[in-house]
Amino acid sequence: DQQVKQNSPSLSVQEGRISILNCDYTNSMFDYFLWYKKYPAEGPTFLISISSIKDKNEDGRFTVFLNKSAKHLSLHIVPSQPGDSAVYFCAASPSGSARQLTFGSGTQLTVLP
Amino acid sequence: SQTIHQWPATLVQPVGSPLSLECTVEGTSNPNLYWYRQAAGRGLQLLFYSVGIGQISSEVPQNLSASRPQDRQFILSSKKLLLSDSGFYLCAWSSKQGNSPLHFGNGTRLTVT
Repeated sequence: DQQVKQNSPSLSVQEGRISILNCDYTNSMFDYFLWYKKYPAEGPTFLISISSIKDKNEDGRFTVFLNKSAKHLSLHIVPSQPGDSAVYFCAASPSGSARQLTFGSGTQLTVLP
Repeated sequence: SQTIHQWPATLVQPVGSPLSLECTVEGTSNPNLYWYRQAAGRGLQLLFYSVGIGQISSEVPQNLSASRPQDRQFILSSKKLLLSDSGFYLCAWSSKQGNSPLHFGNGTRLTVT
């Protein structure tokens, strides 16, 4: 039972354009959401998070949007850069518990120069 | 600042041999520590979780074990490796505060031959 789904295994975007990565979840108890970026042969790096009391959180070029009614999360990267090419994982947990984080299967983003 | 070290980066071991992967955290005290495994094309699966020295919770039945001999040291072990133990293993830490993200090490690529 996949409680966190990233339905697009890959995404290609032109440099300078917007990248939109999507994530859906099924567990209504999830109230803390995170995005991680992972380069090959490295561990995931924490990017940005959002709690369920907000619907948007912004950090530089990265913005996360949360639509609780649709149980949908998205990460916007503007403008996209070639160095953003990586696998992006979304994750969610109930009660802000890191132990109970559930990860999606990841989306490979390729930013074309 | 906090850092997490995980070694070795890659490991090739024959079936039936023992395993020991080590992880240490610097720059923080009393962290929660985690061992994850990433299967190809899939999300991250939590294997073990520790809230303190000698306190280990196993999340899935398996051939592996974990130990925490010191506050900032976490070890993943096996007495006899199986082919199915091959994978990418990640150590991570988080603070004990709510809504605290996981911070990952660079991972160990284990190949059991």
